[in-house]
Amino acid sequence: EPEVTQTPSHQVTQMGQEVILRCVPISNHLYFYWYRQILGQKVEFLVSFYNNEISEKSEIFDDQFSVERPDGSNFTLKIRSTKLEDSAMYFCASRDSQAYGYTFGSGTRLTVV
Amino acid sequence: LAKTTQPISMDSYEGQEVNITCSHNNIATNDYITWYQQFPSQGPRFIIQGYKTKVTNEVASLFIPADRKSSTLSLPRVSLSDTAVYYCLVGRGSSASKIIFGSGTRLSIRP
Repeated sequence: EPEVTQTPSHQVTQMGQEVILRCVPISNHLYFYWYRQILGQKVEFLVSFYNNEISEKSEIFDDQFSVERPDGSNFTLKIRSTKLEDSAMYFCASRDSQAYGYTFGSGTRLTVV
Repeated sequence: LAKTTQPISMDSYEGQEVNITCSHNNIATNDYITWYQQFPSQGPRFIIQGYKTKVTNEVASLFIPADRKSSTLSLPRVSLSDTAVYYCLVGRGSSASKIIFGSGTRLSIRP
C-alpha cells in the first residue's frame, strides 16, 4: 500500500532556530496538506497546497511558516523561528482527486527547547 | 463544514461489536461522512466513507439512516489493537478542501 513518508521522525531544536520538516507524498497525488497535533489536543489544519501554490491556510499558519514543493517528490514545511508552543506532532497528508480519504504520514515530533 | 457530535470515550471488551454514533444535524446534500482512526503518535488513517444506507469494507461498516443526520461506525469483534481515537467528519467527499478534525471518540478495548 502506498505511503506518505515523513522525515525526521523526531526533531529537537532550540527556540528561535529554523526547522524544515520533510514529506514525500504518494507519487500520483495532487493535493498536499500539513496538520499538527499538540500533545493531548485535536489534529489541527495548517495549510493545503495544490498546483504549486497554497490553496488554503489556517490562522495558525502565520508568517513564520512556509511550504514548498522543491521538486517532483518532496513537500516541506519550514518554521522560520521556532517557539516553545510549536512543539507538536506535524503530519503531512496527500490525496488525489478521486481518493475517498487523505493518506497521512506517521508524523514528525518537533520538540522546541 | 457540518458540525459533528460523538461520544468523548467508549469502553468495550475483546470480541465484542462496537458501535460509535455520530450526530451531524446540519449535513448538506453534497456532504459525505468519513471516519478516521488514530493510534497514539501516529497520523490519522482513513477507515470508511459513505453517503447513505450502508457501506462495508474489510475493517468496518458504516450505517447511515435515510435522513443522514447521524451515522454509526460499527467495528465487528474488536481486539486490543482497535484501541484508538475515532473521528467522524462530514464534508464533500471528493473535494480537495481541508478536513477538520473534532475531538473524536477515544475507544478503549479491554481483554
